[in-house]
Amino acid sequence: NAGVMQNPRHLVRRRGQEARLRCSPVKGHSHVYWYRQLPEEGLKFMVYLQKENIIDESGMPKERFSAEFPKEGPSILRIQQVVRGDSAAYFCASSVGTGSTNYGYTFGSGTRLTVV
Amino acid sequence: AQTVTQSQPEMSVQEAETVTLSCTYDTSESNYYLFWYKQPPSRQMILVIRQEAYKQQNATENRFSVNFQKAAKSFSLKISDSQLGDTAMYFCALHNNAGNMLTFGGGTRLMVKP
Repeated sequence: NAGVMQNPRHLVRRRGQEARLRCSPVKGHSHVYWYRQLPEEGLKFMVYLQKENIIDESGMPKERFSAEFPKEGPSILRIQQVVRGDSAAYFCASSVGTGSTNYGYTFGSGTRLTVV
Repeated sequence: AQTVTQSQPEMSVQEAETVTLSCTYDTSESNYYLFWYKQPPSRQMILVIRQEAYKQQNATENRFSVNFQKAAKSFSLKISDSQLGDTAMYFCALHNNAGNMLTFGGGTRLMVKP
């Protein structure tokens, strides 16, 4: 049973380009979360999705960032017109459920985005 | 809002010794979960140990154990018989029972010395 798969592992973009980060959750997990980690900091919540629905996007910047989790295929975190401040490691996690049914999150290995 | 604070940016320990990493948190919820995650240089986030707030008994996983003090909102991690492979960043995290997210502390960098 494969874990959370994220690709690419490293992504370099020039300022103004678009970045697309992909996440395939653990098989059977229907809850996906995206976190951002700046250098030497802890992870910060960005967005929580279930299939075809955004449940909580309270941690997402209001502009340039979007996320989706389609019925088929991986979850995508999209950053338009990237700026240097977007350089970070972006982690995806998945879980079976939430709250009392949550037996812990499984994290991917992250995508390190570098904006040059 | 909930917060998690790790007051030790860096720690070091000799191989085979015991080390304790500190974590304090704040939440208005009565039911929640606490976690310790390990992040080695590979960047993978690895779950080390998990504690339900309603359980008074401290969680234990092999060489890893916690000291959960609910009234003091403290959740420290003890690593016994430290091994070189324990060298990593360690993050304390909080999840409210009804919430949708983990709130992480800033991390403690642990170096195990031979």
